[in-house]
Amino acid sequence: GAVVSQHPSWVICKSGTSVKIECRSLDFQATTMFWYRQFPKQSLMLMATSNEGSKATYEQGVEKDKFLINHASLTLSTLTVTSAHPEDSSFYICSANGQGGQPQHFGDGTRLSIL
Amino acid sequence: QQQVKQSPQSLIVQKGGIPIINCAYENTAFDYFPWYQQFPGKGPALLIAIRPDVSEKKEGRFTISFNKSAKQFSLHIMDSQPGDSATYFCAGNRGSRLTFGEGTQLTVNP
Repeated sequence: GAVVSQHPSWVICKSGTSVKIECRSLDFQATTMFWYRQFPKQSLMLMATSNEGSKATYEQGVEKDKFLINHASLTLSTLTVTSAHPEDSSFYICSANGQGGQPQHFGDGTRLSIL
Repeated sequence: QQQVKQSPQSLIVQKGGIPIINCAYENTAFDYFPWYQQFPGKGPALLIAIRPDVSEKKEGRFTISFNKSAKQFSLHIMDSQPGDSATYFCAGNRGSRLTFGEGTQLTVNP
């Protein structure tokens, strides 16, 4: 149980392109979803927290117009990296809490490479 | 005050050894302390977790020791195997928000 699916697992695109990443909770309803960014050999850094039906809360230093988050249902959140540039290349990981709270369950991440 | 400090940064043990990874926190509002295991190219997977009113929790070969007064906790892996080679992250939870340690890259040699 408590499976979080993330798609795509790897995307390569040209600079200036917008990229959408999907995060789905497959067997539970996720009232809260989280988006993290991870650089090689570093820890996970929280980018934003999204609650179903409301606006996402972004961490300090994260551009909300750059990283658009939509949490339209209890099983789906999307992260759109708008006008992506090489510095946006990273490993993006989502996670979800069930209605009971902890623990957070993580997807398998999306490797984003911007050329 | 939100930081969780983790050590060592990397650790190499022989098969059957008992690697120990340590974490220290400052925020006494943390109410839940999970450990995650991450393999290259994958997301973190929950390994074991503890609440601050418990001093020790064991699940299979994995044990968390928790010292509330010292604000420290550690992960012990008994009878370590090469398949345990991965990066391990401790974390502290407040509300629904996790703060992660820096990670420990564990290598278990055959």
